[in-house]
This record gives sequence, C-alpha cells and structure tokens, in this order.
Amino acid sequence: GENVEQHPSTLSVQEGDSAVIKCTYSDSASNYFPWYKQELGKGPQLIIDIRSNVGEKKDQRIAVTLNKTAKHFSLHITETQPEDSAVYFCAASKGNYGQNFVFGPGTRLSVLP
Amino acid sequence: DGGITQSPKYLFRKEGQNVTLSCEQNLNHDAMYWYRQDPGQGLRLIYYSQIVNDFQKGDIAEGYSVSREKKESFPLTVTSAQKNPTAFYLCASIPRAGMETQYFGPGTRLLVL
Repeated sequence: GENVEQHPSTLSVQEGDSAVIKCTYSDSASNYFPWYKQELGKGPQLIIDIRSNVGEKKDQRIAVTLNKTAKHFSLHITETQPEDSAVYFCAASKGNYGQNFVFGPGTRLSVLP
Repeated sequence: DGGITQSPKYLFRKEGQNVTLSCEQNLNHDAMYWYRQDPGQGLRLIYYSQIVNDFQKGDIAEGYSVSREKKESFPLTVTSAQKNPTAFYLCASIPRAGMETQYFGPGTRLLVL
C-alpha cells in the first residue's frame, strides 16, 4: 500500500524566513496531494493541494511543487509569520471518495519572532 | 453557520465502558470519515461511509463501531475491545464522489480514567 514520509519532523525558522517541508510517496498511482495545517487542539485545515497533472501551484505565500518522477512533493512558505506556527500534514490519494488517503506523520513548524 | 461539529470536546472513558463520539455536518456532504490521531503520527482511518446505511472499515477498525442512519450524522463508538483508546479523534467529510478534498471537524480528545 501507499506510504508517505515527511521531513523534517520539526522545523524552526525566524520570522520572515522561508520554510520548506518535503514529502515522498511510494504509490505511483497517487494523483492528489493536499497539505493541511493543524493548530493546537483543532482539526486540520486544507491550505493548498495539487494534482498529478500540475507541477507547481501557488497561493500568496504558500506554494506546492510536485515531482512525479521522483515521487515527492514539497510545501514552501515564504515570509513566515508567527501565525504560521502549527503542525503541517501532507497526504497522498488515489482518488475516489478519499478512502485511499494516506497522511504523513506531520511537521511541527515554529516561527520565532 | 455551516460546518462539521464534534462533541464532546473531551471525553473520559472508564475501564470496560463503551463511549460514543458525535459527528454532525450540515454541509450536505455525501461521505464521512473517522480518523484517529496519536502524537507524532499521521491520521489513521478507522471507518468511512459513502452513503446512508453503508460504511466500510478503514485501516484500524478493530474495537470501534459506527452507524450512518442519517446523511448528516456519523457517530463513532469506542468499545471496551479497544485496549488503547486514548487519542484525538477527527471526523471529516467530502462533498460527493470524485471530490477528494476533506473537511475536518474540531476533534474529540478521548482519555482513559
């Protein structure tokens, strides 16, 4: 089955710097890759997603890149702010109703003022 | 005010007791999901339901049961057979077939006394 690895497990950056989180997946049939942000004690919130027919997607300070050949995708956050501090999860899915979602273990991002 | 609600926010279980976690959505979404989240780990799928009166086991269904009698409700029962129930439980939903973006509730933290 699908396996999703995520690195690093923790990441600390200075406010204003960039942060990059990387995920790798094993199943070449996966075609949908969302990123979720989870604040303490709350449910995950979708922040950006990408499909396998696209190499890069950007939304203001957040971007995601996908390398299908290498089977990895990355989240890029520029000009980080203290409110970006949270746990970030990547996931991979083969579609349908999402029962094939596999989540990475998460990255705890701390943005230091 | 639309969304996914979970109750209670905190739940305590005694030895040998069954407890039920509530998940309600007023988004008219077809599919609903239950995930378990343990510290430092990704989300793991317990059960999912694509339509009313139908549900399927996920990766870690043992010790859990669900029902889907109404489209908007998908309660999860943690039975006494689940020997390590302490975790954060998340409910999610998807609008309809072919749409993979999951929307999460705020979660319920279950603790064992």
